[in-house]
Amino acid sequence: AQSVTQLDSQVPVFEEAPVELRCNYSSSVSVYLFWYVQYPNQGLQLLLKYLSGSTLVKGINGFEAEFNKSQTSFHLRKPSVHISDTAEYFCAVGNYQLIWGAGTKLIIKP
Amino acid sequence: DVKVTQSSRYLVKRTGEKVFLECVQDMDHENMFWYRQDPGLGLRLIYFSYDVKMKEKGDIPEGYSVSREKKERFSLILESASTNQTSMYLCASRRGTGGREQYFGPGTRLTVT
Repeated sequence: AQSVTQLDSQVPVFEEAPVELRCNYSSSVSVYLFWYVQYPNQGLQLLLKYLSGSTLVKGINGFEAEFNKSQTSFHLRKPSVHISDTAEYFCAVGNYQLIWGAGTKLIIKP
Repeated sequence: DVKVTQSSRYLVKRTGEKVFLECVQDMDHENMFWYRQDPGLGLRLIYFSYDVKMKEKGDIPEGYSVSREKKERFSLILESASTNQTSMYLCASRRGTGGREQYFGPGTRLTVT
């Protein structure tokens, strides 16, 4: 069975500071990996995805993630956050169906 | 751009009512999904459909049914709403062949009183 763990339910960070949101997964088969963002009162929007190839994936809004097969992780990073990045971030893994993490709320402190 | 629309952003219903949530996508996607989202639980799959008139149960189908009579429309039905079905409901679609990412609607926040 597949599972996804987002290790932090909330991450507070100062504006313009770097941030890392952690995601670990377990799966007995190769999977695709995704990060989605949900801004307040909106649906989910794809930030980036790993399907194959380079393990460093770049997404929208300056975010990137690195797939680490040996550690079964797919952590999301941004070198400098802005107030507009305030949102909830979801990690998901799977092939046909996706398994979702519980979400991490990114809180930007001015 | 893919557009997924949901019939209502907010809905308030009474216990025991029959509730219909509608989802429409405009990109000719074969696959459609219904999730519910609750704080701290992420997204949980209720039902999905891989083609017209086809449906499969997800992880939490109890108390729900679905209908997909046309390719662009996927309906979620709560036969007899209960207070524990108060939640955010999200619809998503995905291309069938070669599709990987899912595209989401804005969500319907349902309150059952």
